Amino acid sequence: ETGVTQSPTHLIKTRGQQVTLRCSSQSGHNTVSWYQQALGQGPQFIFQYYREEENGRGNFPPRFSGLQFPNYSSELNVNALELDDSALYLCASSSQRLEQYFGPGTRLTVT
Amino acid sequence: DQQVKQNSPSLSVQEGRISILNCDYTNSMFDYFLWYKKYPAEGPTFLISISSIKDKNEDGRFTVFLNKSAKHLSLHIVPSQPGDSAVYFCAAWGTSYGKLTFGQGTILTVHP
Repeated sequence: ETGVTQSPTHLIKTRGQQVTLRCSSQSGHNTVSWYQQALGQGPQFIFQYYREEENGRGNFPPRFSGLQFPNYSSELNVNALELDDSALYLCASSSQRLEQYFGPGTRLTVT
Repeated sequence: DQQVKQNSPSLSVQEGRISILNCDYTNSMFDYFLWYKKYPAEGPTFLISISSIKDKNEDGRFTVFLNKSAKHLSLHIVPSQPGDSAVYFCAAWGTSYGKLTFGQGTILTVHP
């Protein structure tokens, strides 16, 4: 059974640019959640996708957007990057929303 | 508004002794509480959970205690092992919210 994978592992972008992060969910999981983990903080919920539709959103601006594909993989898009967007971005997949399995994350640095 | 708080940034324990990690919450609507462990360069991995209607759940060396009146939970690891050294996150789940709310994490170091 393949676990949750994320790409890329690391990314450096310039303020104002756009970025796309990718997540492949665990086999059999139809729900994907995205979290932002700033340095020294716990993960913060960005949004969740269930069967290709957004199914809950945290306190993040609209420049954070996402997609879920028919194979349940997902993308997180961030427009107009700001320095404070520098963080570890975690993807978690689940078949029941409570039991979430996390990927290793993508480390985004905005300069 | 930090609804889940872990007030101890770090904890150092000797191998074989008990590790106690603490977590406080403010929202009485949470239905489940979970503990996750995170090693560097890996995502958080689920450790143990407890329903809000229970006061204790045990799984091997790990026990979680819930005190609803105090809005406090704790994770006990007995005996502690060097491989337990990691960041531990407390998280809360509310069925009506449909999301996990995490604390800031506690770095546990177990010395041989």
